[in-house]
Amino acid sequence: QSVLTQPPSASGTPGQRVIISCSGSDSNIGINTANWYQQLPGTAPKLLIYRNNQRPSGVPDRFSGSKSGTSASLAISGLQSEDEADYYCAAWDDGLTGVVFGGGTKLTVI
Amino acid sequence: QVQMVQSGAEMKKPGASLNVSCKTSGFPFTGYHIHWIRQAPGQGLEWLGRISPNSGDTDYSQKFQGRITMTRDTSISTAYVELTRLGFDDTAVYYCTRDSPAGRFDHWGQGTLVAVSS
Repeated sequence: QSVLTQPPSASGTPGQRVIISCSGSDSNIGINTANWYQQLPGTAPKLLIYRNNQRPSGVPDRFSGSKSGTSASLAISGLQSEDEADYYCAAWDDGLTGVVFGGGTKLTVI
Repeated sequence: QVQMVQSGAEMKKPGASLNVSCKTSGFPFTGYHIHWIRQAPGQGLEWLGRISPNSGDTDYSQKFQGRITMTRDTSISTAYVELTRLGFDDTAVYYCTRDSPAGRFDHWGQGTLVAVSS
């Protein structure tokens, strides 16, 4: 059971916009920033979004993040086949004094 | 460029200990916390803890308290994680990662598979 809650799966067709949600609590997303990671099969996770809505250099602007209250969201617009991956949200949890992750969302591009 | 190179795969028996290293280069080792994260087969990411290479201070996930130790050797810019009393459910890929300001993990090791089998 993950501390942050994500839908286990999401899907879309090429060109569509998909949103992945991440629900937390007052001790994590409510008072700290959310980060998002993309993991392709057999590879290490890659930082996609940090501080709720910031993109590292090299990440396409098709990826965007937002936060409201104790929840965060990742939006992917102009969906491409190479976006098919697992996506994880993460945040520091002050109550647990550690990083907590969502259970991950498997994105399928149909 | 930033590199984080982990030690090779290990096979362990139940009750044994794992020791994984993470050799870093391309950035000031003492300037960034190093976190350890693992991923069991087909499962999500799980945080084990972190170490400040500068001070050696650590924070561990409550789940692993008492059987995990993180250390570092600043002379060779390398971080280590030891997990004792291994069980079958400790089978996972173990990753080290660098914590840039704002708690973002911007560089990762390649992962080390640790398989626990009798």
